[in-house]
Amino acid sequence: DSGVTQTPKHLITATGQRVTLRCSPRSGDLSVYWYQQSLDQGLQFLIQYYNGEERAKGNILERFSAQQFPDLHSELNLSSLELGDSALYFCASSVGGGRSYNEQFFGPGTRLTVL
Amino acid sequence: QKEVEQDPGPLSVPEGAIVSLNCTYSNSAFQYFMWYRQYSRKGPELLMYTYSSGNKEDGRFTAQVDKSSKYISLFIRDSQPSDSATYLCAMSPEQRNTGFQKLVFGTGTRLLVSP
Repeated sequence: DSGVTQTPKHLITATGQRVTLRCSPRSGDLSVYWYQQSLDQGLQFLIQYYNGEERAKGNILERFSAQQFPDLHSELNLSSLELGDSALYFCASSVGGGRSYNEQFFGPGTRLTVL
Repeated sequence: QKEVEQDPGPLSVPEGAIVSLNCTYSNSAFQYFMWYRQYSRKGPELLMYTYSSGNKEDGRFTAQVDKSSKYISLFIRDSQPSDSATYLCAMSPEQRNTGFQKLVFGTGTRLLVSP
């Protein structure tokens, strides 16, 4: 158990809908990362937050957005869902700060199925 | 061309065999090299990380980095059925103490160790 929690475990929804995925980082970690894992693309970095502020963006679509709240949990919002958005979504957390290397600890993921 | 290439497998070996998993990359800025293990329906778990070139050993696992060839390897000695999982390589450039570790993942190699 990495200490990172994600809810829900599974989500089934229809095209055009909007969903929210939730992540709680490990105790003491200030950074939260979101990744998308699909069969053909592998793990793709979406976005990172550090202590409530967006720090970096990767291959995140405009239909997707995220935020990190004062209690450090994070939510990933996916809207106008398409079939191609079906994937595993992982959250990872790290201590963050000024270290040269920050190990990322991954949560168990949310499996999203868009029908 | 992807920044990180990894043979998807599956790689099937008998118990006790030595396993060699490999990744190649194109970005010479990569300085941190990681291997993650992912069991089915679980989040990735960090096995080892190496900074720059060289070897690193941890129990039955040895990681090698050859930056001149842009090639990294993970060796598993005395492989066990419990090693059956997908192995993901990941890489990151020097972050210069920004607290942000952008990881670029390979697509993963599925390993099957039969008793």
